[in-house]
Amino acid sequence: ILNVEQSPQSLHVQEGDSTNFTCSFPSSNFYALHWYRWETAKSPEALFVMTLNGDEKKKGRISATLNTKEGYSYLYIKGSQPEDSATYLCAHSTLGRLYFGRGTQLTVWP
Amino acid sequence: DAGVTQSPTHLIKTRGQQVTLRCSPKSGHDTVSWYQQALGQGPQFIFQYYEEEERQRGNFPDRFSGHQFPNYSSELNVNALLLGDSALYLCASSLAARDYEQYFGPGTRLTVT
Repeated sequence: ILNVEQSPQSLHVQEGDSTNFTCSFPSSNFYALHWYRWETAKSPEALFVMTLNGDEKKKGRISATLNTKEGYSYLYIKGSQPEDSATYLCAHSTLGRLYFGRGTQLTVWP
Repeated sequence: DAGVTQSPTHLIKTRGQQVTLRCSPKSGHDTVSWYQQALGQGPQFIFQYYEEEERQRGNFPDRFSGHQFPNYSSELNVNALLLGDSALYLCASSLAARDYEQYFGPGTRLTVT
């Protein structure tokens, strides 16, 4: 079992605050690290797939970094907006299956 | 371009009954994976289908079975339902050559009473 741990479990911030989440995963047999954004009653939406140590990806105000040697990834949201409220899932993939963490539930208050 | 669709959205069953959940993959995708998300947990891999065969399986009992049709759509069947089978069931589709890039449907919420 490839355990993926995410922290914090939940986060409440004010509009305009910047925030970050952590995902830790086993560094052995690494293939890819995924971040998904999941709004209630909708499909999880892929944000980033990262495969290389030192990878940095950015999409608008959201960015992610990857350290495969120590087994962690950070997701950053700059200037949080109420529409960023969602659960952010991290997953480690190997052999075509994804191993998910429990997610970080973000609430952004206007 | 339709994404991954699942039906039904919600389902209520009684212990001991059987249930079938359905999934249509994203256009062009040939591989379907199923995940179970129990309350408070992250999604857990059940199995994956490619070319109408089970390609790999997670740690789930034989009560969980599946099928993939020639049009790549898939079904998840659960027999002899237990209360603990209550969960959100997610379907994900991908291309076999890039099976780590999975696109998810909105899920089917199964409640077993």
